[in-house]
Order: sequence, then C-alpha cells, then structure tokens
Amino acid sequence: QQQVKQSPQSLIVQKGGISIINCAYENTAFDYFPWYQQFPGKGPALLIAIRPDVSEKKEGRFTISFNKSAKQFSLHIMDSQPGDSATYFCAARGGTSGSRLTFGEGTQLTVNP
Amino acid sequence: KAGVTQTPRYLIKTRGQQVTLSCSPISGHRSVSWYQQTPGQGLQFLFEYFSETQRNKGNFPGRFSGRQFSNSRSEMNVSTLELGDSALYLCASNPSGANVLTFGAGSRLTVL
Repeated sequence: QQQVKQSPQSLIVQKGGISIINCAYENTAFDYFPWYQQFPGKGPALLIAIRPDVSEKKEGRFTISFNKSAKQFSLHIMDSQPGDSATYFCAARGGTSGSRLTFGEGTQLTVNP
Repeated sequence: KAGVTQTPRYLIKTRGQQVTLSCSPISGHRSVSWYQQTPGQGLQFLFEYFSETQRNKGNFPGRFSGRQFSNSRSEMNVSTLELGDSALYLCASNPSGANVLTFGAGSRLTVL
C-alpha cells in the first residue's frame, strides 16, 4: 500500500514535443506529491509538487495533473528540450510519516534534437 | 547559500568492512533524511533525523545506522558490508515543518 507505480520506464521524445509520465498510488493518506528531476552524477532536485486538493498545477513548461478519485497523477513537459533529458521520479508523502518520501521507479527521458 | 554537502563522493570497500558517510545539511535545516538509490530498487528511504532524534526508519537491516549531531550534521554507518550495499547514498535536508527536500549529490559506495 506504500508503493508508487511509475510509467513508462523510459521515454524518447522529439524536441518540441510533449513528454508525459504517469504515476499511481494506493495509500489514501498520501497528502503531498512531488516530482524530482535527476541528472547523471547529481542528486534529485525538486521540480514541481502538488497537494490532492487541486487537480492541476503549472510552473512554466511543467504541469502536474492530479486525479484523486483514480489515485493517479502525471507530469507533462511541454515543448520538451534536449536539456530536459534526465531521470524523473514521482513521489508521495504520507500525512504522519514526517519527511519520508515513497518514490516511483523513475523514468529516463531522452529528448532528441 | 550552500547546498547539502556529502562526503566522501566516491568510495570503494570490500565485503565485511564498514563505512561511514557524512552529510552537512543546508544551514538552518534541522531535518536530515537518508536514501539508498540502486538501479534495481530505485530510491529507498533509510531514516530521518530531527534534532538529533531518529524520527522515522525504513525497512533496512540493523547493519544500517545513523545519527545526527547538535549542529544538524548527520552520519550514516553501514557495518559488515555486502555486495548488495553498493549504491548511491543520498542525504536530503529540509526546514522544520516544510515539505521540500533538498538532496545532496550523494556518496557512491562500491563494495567488492
């Protein structure tokens, strides 16, 4: 019940295209859903996050869509750029678990020029 | 503002040895968390410390331990190393009561 399932495992997109990564969770106690971006040799960096009381959050080219009833959320990267090539992780945090994050398996995104 | 600093960045150990990894959080951050990252298991939570107290612990054997000092710096120790302990160990810090975790670059441990 603590798992977060992420798909696809890898994604190849052309420059200017839309990248979509999906995540699903089971634990209804999760109350915070961040996305992290990781480049090789670096630690994950927070990209954007959402709480379950909103259905969408947009920051620049990055948008999270959240479907509470389906227990799913997704990351959309508009106008994808080669510099967006990285590994993306969705995560979830439970209400009483402190800062503990449960991560998805990760999606390796490649944006071709 | 300095980020989360982890040392050493790379290290090689042999089976049976022990290792200590260090993490200096962002100034003012009192919470430190540790995660293990491997290709097969992804990012797995190890433990969280706040004000020198372990607040949360993941599903790892007792060989994995940690502590936090009064200046919020944290160390984690792995004893009796196994080949499967080869991983990137990530430390993250966050301000009290905030959700945003800031990760360090990690310590890459290779066990031979």
